[in-house]
Amino acid sequence: QQQVKQSPQSLIVQKGGISIINCAYENTAFDYFPWYQQFPGKGPALLIAIRPDVSEKKEGRFTISFNKSAKQFSLHIMDSQPGDSATYFCAASKGNQFYFGTGTSLTVIP
Amino acid sequence: NAGVMQNPRHLVRRRGQEARLRCSPMKGHSHVYWYRQLPEEGLKFMVYLQKENIIDESGMPKERFSAEFPKEGPSILRIQQVVRGDSAAYFCASSPPSGRNTEAFFGQGTRLTVV
Repeated sequence: QQQVKQSPQSLIVQKGGISIINCAYENTAFDYFPWYQQFPGKGPALLIAIRPDVSEKKEGRFTISFNKSAKQFSLHIMDSQPGDSATYFCAASKGNQFYFGTGTSLTVIP
Repeated sequence: NAGVMQNPRHLVRRRGQEARLRCSPMKGHSHVYWYRQLPEEGLKFMVYLQKENIIDESGMPKERFSAEFPKEGPSILRIQQVVRGDSAAYFCASSPPSGRNTEAFFGQGTRLTVV
């Protein structure tokens, strides 16, 4: 059972464009929603995270939008750069256990 | 994060052999989590351990898989009698004594190939 559904599976964006990745969850007990960035051959690294008491969090070019009523959250990468090309995972956690989405492979073309 | 050390980085085993994956947490961290990443899939939680204790093993397959985190030394994920379906990347994460996974950092993973 997929607790967190992520889309799209892959995304190609022109340099300078906006990359948008969406996630949806079912369990309302989740209380922490991080995004991880993973480069080939590396482990996931925490990128940005949000708690359900806020609707938006911005860190540099990265923004999380959170819609509690719809049980959805999304990652926006503004002014996308070729160095942003990686796989992005959303996750939802409750206590010590994370549930990850299936990942989005982002390619930013120059 | 380079602070969490996993070895080996790559492991090849024949069907029926045993695989041992090691994870040394970041300095000062006493909580370890193991995740499995199958091709084209996200990361799936396997087990959460503290020193000498298994806290949550709800994601571990019932047979052939075991994990430990001894008082001294790294955490070990052991897979007995490996099968082709065990081929995956196995990631370890660690967090400090507060135990909140929000502060967890991942290692670079061990890629297991069963031939």
